[in-house]
Amino acid sequence: AQSVAQPEDQVNVAEGNPLTVKCTYSVSGNPYLFWYVQYPNRGLQFLLKYITGDNLVKGSYGFEAEFNKSQTSFHLKKPSALVSDSALYFCAVRLRRDGNNRKLIWGLGTSLAVNP
Amino acid sequence: DGGITQSPKYLFRKEGQNVTLSCEQNLNHDAMYWYRQDPGQGLRLIYYSQIVNDFQKGDIAEGYSVSREKKESFPLTVTSAQKNPTAFYLCASSGLAGGHPSTDTQYFGPGTRLTVL
Repeated sequence: AQSVAQPEDQVNVAEGNPLTVKCTYSVSGNPYLFWYVQYPNRGLQFLLKYITGDNLVKGSYGFEAEFNKSQTSFHLKKPSALVSDSALYFCAVRLRRDGNNRKLIWGLGTSLAVNP
Repeated sequence: DGGITQSPKYLFRKEGQNVTLSCEQNLNHDAMYWYRQDPGQGLRLIYYSQIVNDFQKGDIAEGYSVSREKKESFPLTVTSAQKNPTAFYLCASSGLAGGHPSTDTQYFGPGTRLTVL
C-alpha cells in the first residue's frame, strides 16, 4: 500500500538551533512531494514542493527540504528555529504515474515545539 | 488561507440533524476537496471534485454528501447517517487552467469545527 511516514509525533528544539522534521514514503515510482504547516485551529499552509530538478527545495519562512531518492525521504529543515515555528507539520505525496490524479497521500503530522 | 473561505467557523449539531458546511474559492481553481481532521489521524479525504457537476468519493465518504453546481462552491452536507461527525473539516482547492493536474498545489481554507451535542 502507498504510504507516507512521519516517524516522530513530536520534535522539540531550542530557539536558534537547526530543526529537522522527517518524512519518508513508500510508493511506486518517484512521487511529487509536499510540506504543509498548520497552526492551532487554522487551515494548512503550503510550505514547499518537489516536482523535479534540484533535490534541495527552498520554501516559505526560511524552510527547505531535501529529496533523497535512495532513502525515499523528504525531510524538512530550517537552519535556525523560531518560537513562531511551533506548529503541526504535514508531509504529503502525489503519485507521478497517475496522470490527471490530484489526490494526495498524507502523513499523520509532526508537532514541532520550539522552546525559547 | 487567502482565497478560500469556509463558514461557519464553529458549528453545533444535535444528533439526527443534517448540517451543511460552506466552502467558496475565488482562485479560479478547477478542483476542490473536503477533508476531515481528527487528533492523531491526520487528514482524511471525504470527497473531491475535479470539475463542475462531477465529484468522486474519497476514503471516508459514508454519511456525507456534496454538490458542485458552480466552480467557486463545494458545500459539504454531514448527514444523520454519519455516526461520529465531531471533527475539524477542511476545504481545499487546486488547479489553474493550463497547469498540470498532478503537480498542482492544494490551498486550504481556515476550517470549520463541527461538534455534535
